[in-house]
Amino acid sequence: AQSVTQLGSHVSVSEGALVLLRCNYSSSVPPYLFWYVQYPNQGLQLLLKYTSAATLVKGINGFEAEFKKSETSFHLTKPSAHMSDAAEYFCAVTPTSGTYKYIFGTGTRLKVLA
Amino acid sequence: EAGVAQSPRYKIIEKRQSVAFWCNPISGHATLYWYQQILGQGPKLLIQFQNNGVVDDSQLPKDRFSAERLKGVDSTLKIQPAKLEDSAVYLCASSKGGTGHTGELFFGEGSRLTVL
Repeated sequence: AQSVTQLGSHVSVSEGALVLLRCNYSSSVPPYLFWYVQYPNQGLQLLLKYTSAATLVKGINGFEAEFKKSETSFHLTKPSAHMSDAAEYFCAVTPTSGTYKYIFGTGTRLKVLA
Repeated sequence: EAGVAQSPRYKIIEKRQSVAFWCNPISGHATLYWYQQILGQGPKLLIQFQNNGVVDDSQLPKDRFSAERLKGVDSTLKIQPAKLEDSAVYLCASSKGGTGHTGELFFGEGSRLTVL
């Protein structure tokens, strides 16, 4: 069975500071990994995805994530936070074949302080 | 390309009443998902369709929830009778599925249900 753990339900950073949101996964088969962002009263939007190509993945809005198999991690980073980055972020995992059942983490709410 | 459409956006009902949510996925997407997102939590899969067949409904409370996807396109999720704990946002998502699947889910804006 697959699972995802997001450490820290709330993260606060100052504008211009580094953003680091943590995600660890558990999977018995090679997974695809994703980060989604959710703004208030909206659906989820894809930030970036790992699909077994490059381990360092770049996404939209300056975000990137690195797949580390040895650490079973897929942490999300951004060098400099912007006020518009305030939102909820979800990590998700799915197997690379079969029924593509997506499992989401519990989410991390990012607050950006002026 | 039109996105995933959901309606209604908001619904308020009394407990024991019924409610239905509608989803129209992106054209050509074979796989459709319904997720339940309770406030402060991540989305939880309720049911997954591949075309008009059910792939996974293991977490669907079948005594009160039902879903169908007629003709492999639109889908409807129904709750009858509703309970207070059903208050949540119901998210519909679709993906291409099958060979060449890129792995991305496309979400609608959700239907927020409040049960009083």
